[in-house]
Amino acid sequence: KNEVEQSPQNLTAQEGEFITINCSYSVGISALHWLQQHPGGGIVSLFMLSSGKKKHGRLIATINIQEKHSSLHITASHPRDSAVYICAVSPPGQFYFGTGTSLTVIP
Amino acid sequence: GAGVSQSPSNKVTEKGKDVELRCDPISGHTALYWYRQSLGQGLEFLIYFQGNSAPDKSGLPSDRFSAERTGGSVSTLTIQRTQQEDSAVYLCASSLRTGAEQYFGPGTRLTVT
Repeated sequence: KNEVEQSPQNLTAQEGEFITINCSYSVGISALHWLQQHPGGGIVSLFMLSSGKKKHGRLIATINIQEKHSSLHITASHPRDSAVYICAVSPPGQFYFGTGTSLTVIP
Repeated sequence: GAGVSQSPSNKVTEKGKDVELRCDPISGHTALYWYRQSLGQGLEFLIYFQGNSAPDKSGLPSDRFSAERTGGSVSTLTIQRTQQEDSAVYLCASSLRTGAEQYFGPGTRLTVT
């Protein structure tokens, strides 16, 4: 049983497209995290949110606590956005991760 | 400022040997986390420390795994009698306090031959 489900698993987009990655979870949480992992690179925390919506540059993250669902949006996508995006949820003292969405943005 | 550092960056060891992985968190960060990412698999939470204390060790895969943190700073993850299935990238992260944004280290790639 996966506590966190992400979709799609793989996504290819043309530069400039609007991208949405979805995350659903089944446990009670304190917070939800969106992480970015570049090929061969480290992991960067993009957002941590427990309600509502956050925006950072071209990235927007939303969460609906009642529906246990979050979305990560990328506006005006760029090839440098190509990476694996990982959703994680944190019930107190625990972390559960989605399997990631591999995004490729083509010039 | 310095980020989270981990050492070694790569470790190749023979099956049955013990290994020790080190994490230096960002100065002043009281919370520290260990994760594992196996090839082709997702991230797996292992353990976290608030200060020097690990409230819950149930995420450690087996009793061959142990972790400690001293002085509220450096942490070591020790794997005894390594097995091939222990091969993975071991990641450390730290945060200002439990529940705050985490900053990840570059990871230690462990290969058990």
